Amino acid sequence: ETGVTQTPRHLVMGMTNKKSLKCEQHLGHNAMYWYKQSAKKPLELMFVYNFKEQTENNSVPSRFSPECPNSSHLFLHLHTLQPEDSALYLCASSSAEGLNEEQYFGPGTRLTVT
Amino acid sequence: TQLLEQSPQFLSIQEGENLTVYCNSSSVFSSLQWYRQEPGEGPVLLVTVVTGGEVKKLKRLTFQFGDARKDSSLHITAAQPGDTGLYLCAGADGGSNYKLTFGKGTLLTVNP
Repeated sequence: ETGVTQTPRHLVMGMTNKKSLKCEQHLGHNAMYWYKQSAKKPLELMFVYNFKEQTENNSVPSRFSPECPNSSHLFLHLHTLQPEDSALYLCASSSAEGLNEEQYFGPGTRLTVT
Repeated sequence: TQLLEQSPQFLSIQEGENLTVYCNSSSVFSSLQWYRQEPGEGPVLLVTVVTGGEVKKLKRLTFQFGDARKDSSLHITAAQPGDTGLYLCAGADGGSNYKLTFGKGTLLTVNP
C-alpha cells in the first residue's frame, strides 16, 4: 500500500466508448502525474499537475483529457481511443517541495481497447 | 533528451546467487531513484541516491551512485524468489517540473 489508489484496476473499452480513470492520493502531496507503461518501452510521462495546475502535457493526443479538481484527486478522461492506447496507466504523486522528486505510484489501470 | 540505459534487460538466476544490474546515462542527474515493480502492480520506490559516489544499503540490496552522477548500480546478495520483479531506475534533472526520466528496466527472475 503506497498511499495512492487507482480505479478501476482493469478496463476494457471499445473505440467509441467514453470512460474515466480515477486516482486518489492520501499522502498530502501537491504534485500528481499520469504515466503510460507499454511493453518494451520506458514509462512515458503524460501529464503533470502541481497544486492543481497542469505544468506538463507531453504531446499527448487530445483523446486523453486530464482533470485535477484538487491536490488529492486526478482523473484521466478517455474517448475515441485506438488499440495502440492499450497499456498500463499509472498515477503517481510527489511532494511539491521536490524532495529529490521521489514519486509514489498507484497500482495502475490495465486498459484494453478493442 | 535525457536517456537512461539499463542492463541487462533480462536476468534469470538461481536462489542464493549474487547479481548486479546497471543504469547508465550520458546526462548528469540531481538524484536517481530505484523502483521495483511486480506484475500487475505499480513501481515501488526502493531508494534515492543524491550525492556522487554515494552507497546505500537496504538489507541485501546495495545501491551506488556514480561519482559523476551519470550512472548507478544495484547489487543483490544471495537473491531470493521474492526479489523477482522489474527493476527500474529513474533520474531527476532537478528542474522545477518534477520530471523523472525512466529506463526500460531489468526484469529479474530468481528461481527457487
